[in-house]
Amino acid sequence: ELKVEQNPLFLSMQEGKNYTIYCNYSTTSDRLYWYRQDPGKSLESLFVLLSNGAVKQEGRLMASLDTKARLSTLHITAAVHDLSATYFCAVDMPSYNNDMRFGAGTRLTVKP
Amino acid sequence: EPEVTQTPSHQVTQMGQEVILRCVPISNHLYFYWYRQILGQKVEFLVSFYNNEISEKSEIFDDQFSVERPDGSNFTLKIRSTKLEDSAMYFCASREGVVATEAFFGQGTRLTVV
Repeated sequence: ELKVEQNPLFLSMQEGKNYTIYCNYSTTSDRLYWYRQDPGKSLESLFVLLSNGAVKQEGRLMASLDTKARLSTLHITAAVHDLSATYFCAVDMPSYNNDMRFGAGTRLTVKP
Repeated sequence: EPEVTQTPSHQVTQMGQEVILRCVPISNHLYFYWYRQILGQKVEFLVSFYNNEISEKSEIFDDQFSVERPDGSNFTLKIRSTKLEDSAMYFCASREGVVATEAFFGQGTRLTVV
């Protein structure tokens, strides 16, 4: 069974600081996704990582994928309050339909 | 911009009653999913649907659950006899393909079983 583990699960950080969220998964997959969820809202796609070594950046967020280590990172640079949300990584199952399985999420709070 | 739409946004039902949650996926998408999220917890896979049939389902998706695509646009999740533990946010998602595409999620239906 595919396991997707994120850490930390809770992250409180000061504005202006940097931090990294980690996503480990247990099966061979070269497709990983990062989503953002605001409280009571849906899941918004942030990044699609489709190969080993893939790196994507959008604003203060940068995501990378190492398929050999089965590890993805979401790096936050100079955090601002607007980044407060829950961040989920999701991995495609190595099956016919490649259904996504989600990590438990990292609840990020950025304090002034 | 195309989006996945779900109705209703919130449904309250009595234990033992049947509920149907509705979704309209993005029109050119071929793969459809239901996920659920118990308040503040992880997003759990329920079922995937392709070519008018279930392609995969989780252990959560027991005989009380069913899905249907009755008219080529709607995608429904039925829970036959709801239990208190079915209370959750249910998200519908769709994908254009399964290679190199992300899933787009609807706004969710909050189901409360009392």
